[in-house]
Amino acid sequence: NAGVTQTPKFQVLKTGQSMTLQCAQDMNHNSMYWYRQDPGMGLRLIYYSASEGTTDKGEVPNGYNVSRLNKREFSLRLESAAPSQTSVYFCASMGQGGTEAFFGQGTRLTVV
Amino acid sequence: QQQVKQSPQSLIVQKGGISIINCAYENTAFDYFPWYQQFPGKGPALLIAIRPDVSEKKEGRFTISFNKSAKQFSLHIMDSQPGDSATYFCAANGGYNKLIFGAGTRLAVHP
Repeated sequence: NAGVTQTPKFQVLKTGQSMTLQCAQDMNHNSMYWYRQDPGMGLRLIYYSASEGTTDKGEVPNGYNVSRLNKREFSLRLESAAPSQTSVYFCASMGQGGTEAFFGQGTRLTVV
Repeated sequence: QQQVKQSPQSLIVQKGGISIINCAYENTAFDYFPWYQQFPGKGPALLIAIRPDVSEKKEGRFTISFNKSAKQFSLHIMDSQPGDSATYFCAANGGYNKLIFGAGTRLAVHP
């Protein structure tokens, strides 16, 4: 039972490079989320998808794009990475009742 | 501007003591208030949650107190143990499953 799987676990990018963070869940959840975690800032919502086919901006969407590829997969893309995007990124999913979000193990991204 | 404000940022408690973490929210559309626990190197995991139609919920040593009129809620950890040392996040969910978190509290329970 994998739950929420994120890839990669670690990544180092140079300023200006692009990359896509992948997330997949096997719990048949409708809602999926991308958060970034920074010291003293907690978990800040980047984008979320309440259901397949919809995406919405969260608290800090600038510099990111997302794709809800299907019900299972929700990807986060950095088109032109900046040092300010150095962070730990978490993907999460939540079922129809909206009572518990399940998180992946995180992706530690460093932009130099 | 954070929609869910959490304090304190860090907390040190002696073993057996009570840990108290506070949160306040602004948006009255929020209708579900969970607390998450995160250990180093792991993703957060649900600890306990409450809906605004009750003022208190208790699960073992963990209790949520909720004050709807003040738009505040708090987590109490009774008989705190070293194994409780972790980062705790309050959160709020309202409308389209948009889940917003507080800034987190790093709890250290000393033996």
